[in-house]
Amino acid sequence: DAGVIQSPRHEVTEMGQEVTLRCKPISGHDYLFWYRQTMMRGLELLIYFNNNVPIDDSGMPEDRFSAKMPNASFSTLKIQPSEPRDSAVYFCASSLGRVTEAFFGQGTRLTVV
Amino acid sequence: DAKTTQPNSMESNEEEPVHLPCNHSTISGTDYIHWYRQLPSQGPEYVIHGLTSNVNNRMASLAIAEDRKSSTLILHRATLRDAAVYYCILQNYGGATNKLIFGTGTLLAVQP
Repeated sequence: DAGVIQSPRHEVTEMGQEVTLRCKPISGHDYLFWYRQTMMRGLELLIYFNNNVPIDDSGMPEDRFSAKMPNASFSTLKIQPSEPRDSAVYFCASSLGRVTEAFFGQGTRLTVV
Repeated sequence: DAKTTQPNSMESNEEEPVHLPCNHSTISGTDYIHWYRQLPSQGPEYVIHGLTSNVNNRMASLAIAEDRKSSTLILHRATLRDAAVYYCILQNYGGATNKLIFGTGTLLAVQP
């Protein structure tokens, strides 16, 4: 397996634009996680899914952020409208079962200008 | 979520063992101890995890105190490629949640 695949690797957008980040988890994994990393706040868990169902979205910063998982092999994190303070590296991770090893993607570096 | 405490940074010399400590005095009986590391410009990477007994794998060893209030990640021979931020995380298996919450970690520098 190629591991967790995120796209794009880098995204530069203007304030107010919609941004969509994509993630393909490892085949067969039933948990998917979205994280955000900044120098100030470190790695923050935004939301996680189990069997395509959102379980805990308490880390989503505000209504501008939304995440979906339409099927077991694809998830999106959308920011609309984007703001400069959303600039960060966004990681997607997947795991098989609870309390097991989580595999992280390479991340998407988002810059909002 | 039970919290962990780690030193902000540590230094080691290449080819020497490294002991990375973690305190988790409020650990519950159903908390697993996980270690991840994050190399520069990469996503976090699983290292090892355990519950009560010491654990060994190809990357490292995990030594867990008898009262489980602390643990130590042991890298037997540090290499330059081991320079990373190491995170000690508690993950509860007793309930329905599957959260993996990262703290600030320990930045390990390896000198040649």
